[in-house]
Amino acid sequence: LAKTTQPISMDSYEGQEVNITCSHNNIATNDYITWYQQFPSQGPRFIIQGYKTKVTNEVASLFIPADRKSSTLSLPRVSLSDTAVYYCLVGDQAGTALIFGKGTTLSVSS
Amino acid sequence: EAGVAQSPRYKIIEKRQSVAFWCNPISGHATLYWYQQILGQGPKLLIQFQNNGVVDDSQLPKDRFSAERLKGVDSTLKIQPAKLEDSAVYLCASSLKGPRALFNYGYTFGSGTRLTVV
Repeated sequence: LAKTTQPISMDSYEGQEVNITCSHNNIATNDYITWYQQFPSQGPRFIIQGYKTKVTNEVASLFIPADRKSSTLSLPRVSLSDTAVYYCLVGDQAGTALIFGKGTTLSVSS
Repeated sequence: EAGVAQSPRYKIIEKRQSVAFWCNPISGHATLYWYQQILGQGPKLLIQFQNNGVVDDSQLPKDRFSAERLKGVDSTLKIQPAKLEDSAVYLCASSLKGPRALFNYGYTFGSGTRLTVV
C-alpha cells in the first residue's frame, strides 16, 4: 500500500476553512484516497473518498490533482466540534485492510 | 442500523494477567477487523476475518494474542499474558463485503475498549 505523509497538527479558528494536504507519491493506478475522522474515545469515522478531480459531500470536499500524488481535504467553516484527528489513507479495490498513519490533529479554537 | 458493539468499554489489569474483548459487528457484515491504537498513534491492524476465516494476522503477536470469530458473527480478542506495552485502545470494525470488494465499502468502527496494564 502507498505510504502517506500529512502534517502532524494544525490549528484554526471557528468559521475558517481548513485545508489538510496529504502526500502519497507512490499511489498506484487502482488506489482510492480516503479520509477518516476520529474524535477522542471513539473509533475512526469515514468522511470522504475519491479517485481523481474533486469530490464533495455534506461534510467536506476532497481535491485531487491530475497526477494524484497528493490530495487536500477541505473543511468549510470549521466549528469547535471539528477538533479531531484526520487520517488520509490510500488503497485499491482489492480491499486490503485500512492502514493508518499518525494522522493530523486539528485543533479549532473560538 | 445498530453500530459495531464492543465490550467492555474500559479494563484495567495487572501485567501477566489475561483479558478478553468482545465485538459484535453490524448485522450482515462479512468482514471483521481488530485494530490496536496506542496513544498518539493511528490504529494498527491486528487481524482481519472474512466470515469465520482469517484473512490476515501477520501483525498479531501470536505468542500472547489470539482471536476467533465463531459462526462468522461475534469475535473475541484475547491477550494472555498481558504486558505493559499492551496498554492501548482495541478497536473492532466491520465491513459489508470481503477483501475483494470496493475499498472502504461500508467500513464501520466500534468505540473501542481502553485497556490499561499496570
